[in-house]
Amino acid sequence: AQKITQTQPGMFVQEKEAVTLDCTYDTSDPSYGLFWYKQPSSGEMIFLIYQGSYDQQNATEGRYSLNFQKARKSANLVISASQLGDSAMYFCAMRENLYTGANSKLTFGKGITLSVRP
Amino acid sequence: DSGVTQTPKHLITATGQRVTLRCSPRSGDLSVYWYQQSLDQGLQFLIQYYNGEERAKGNILERFSAQQFPDLHSELNLSSLELGDSALYFCASSVDTSGPSYEQYFGPGTRLTVT
Repeated sequence: AQKITQTQPGMFVQEKEAVTLDCTYDTSDPSYGLFWYKQPSSGEMIFLIYQGSYDQQNATEGRYSLNFQKARKSANLVISASQLGDSAMYFCAMRENLYTGANSKLTFGKGITLSVRP
Repeated sequence: DSGVTQTPKHLITATGQRVTLRCSPRSGDLSVYWYQQSLDQGLQFLIQYYNGEERAKGNILERFSAQQFPDLHSELNLSSLELGDSALYFCASSVDTSGPSYEQYFGPGTRLTVT
């Protein structure tokens, strides 16, 4: 079974509007972290935001916020006031075994393409 | 700029050949991860090193190997290359492997094309 699911097809948003990118995850580990990365056409992976499974509040970083619904196992990324430079591929990722120091790989979803229209 | 450097940026080689990809982690980071991004497989974890020791293995082929040197830089060796090995190879580093918020910082990647 897939651990990270991103099923939205290519997303389009008008400049200055908000957009939500969906991510659902599957794990039986109680301590995990969820990450969002942005990959522009140039190819680099840019870390955007992090949410820990024990965090009481939803994470926010500037225009990025994470709508974390633990019971639903979803961690949707919300981008407010979209900019043309937000056009990119967005990946949701999970890291399990958060406190053990064991295998701390990131498991990625397939990504969502976001296009911002002027 | 994440602080993680990877060389070369692009690599074009023929089937059957062997290549070495190099990664220098951020200053102070002890952990290095290698990921492969291909169109059909997406982003997949290959292998992780922590302070010179192999820590975890993912979907890494036997034809691939890696190591982390005393100065903490890492090399990923790919041999007997096949067309399907064409991909973007990322190195990432983090300061540690445990703890809640040690995000992994990714290098710019090496784009490998096997012809």
